[in-house]
Amino acid sequence: GESVGLHLPTLSVQEGDNSIINCAYSNSASDYFIWYKQESGKGPQFIIDIRSNMDKRQGQRVTVLLNKTVKHLSLQIAATQPGDSAVYFCAATYSSASKIIFGSGTRLSIRP
Amino acid sequence: DTAVSQTPKYLVTQMGNDKSIKCEQNLGHDTMYWYKQDSKKFLKIMFSYNNKELIINETVPNRFSPKSPDKAHLNLHINSLELGDSAVYFCASSQDPNSNQPQHFGDGTRLSIL
Repeated sequence: GESVGLHLPTLSVQEGDNSIINCAYSNSASDYFIWYKQESGKGPQFIIDIRSNMDKRQGQRVTVLLNKTVKHLSLQIAATQPGDSAVYFCAATYSSASKIIFGSGTRLSIRP
Repeated sequence: DTAVSQTPKYLVTQMGNDKSIKCEQNLGHDTMYWYKQDSKKFLKIMFSYNNKELIINETVPNRFSPKSPDKAHLNLHINSLELGDSAVYFCASSQDPNSNQPQHFGDGTRLSIL
């Protein structure tokens, strides 16, 4: 079946450093990918998305890279701040589907 | 303004009871969803409605019955609650199910079964 996985369940980063969270997906038909951030006691919050016709997209302090050849995407957070502490989910879907498959989440913690 | 709002935020009840969770979105979206998040943070879709019609039903026990009175509301009723139903339930909405747009989530309802 379809799956979306994350390489590491937890990631600890020094404040000010860059964070990289990786994700693999299994369905080669996936054409739309999203990263969500979930803070404690809150729902998942949209961060950035990318369509399969792109391999890179940048937002404010965040960059998503997509490698369709190996079915891998990553989220890079520049100059990580304490407010970036959260669980990050990648998710994948494809045009003819009505649902998004979520990965299991990576907990990002920031060391002062 | 809260885009997707769920009530209640916390729900503590005993096994065997029946309970409902309500969800409303003010984004003008056509599609709404219910997800279940377990203790390991895994998010799994349960149901999806598009313009009040059920489009996804992911092998959820029939004790769970969603109801969509209009496209801005999707409620979840659960009969005969079991210990395994303890989880956080999230409501979400999107413009439509196939347009590759992000879903917007509520802040969840934490259901605890005693």
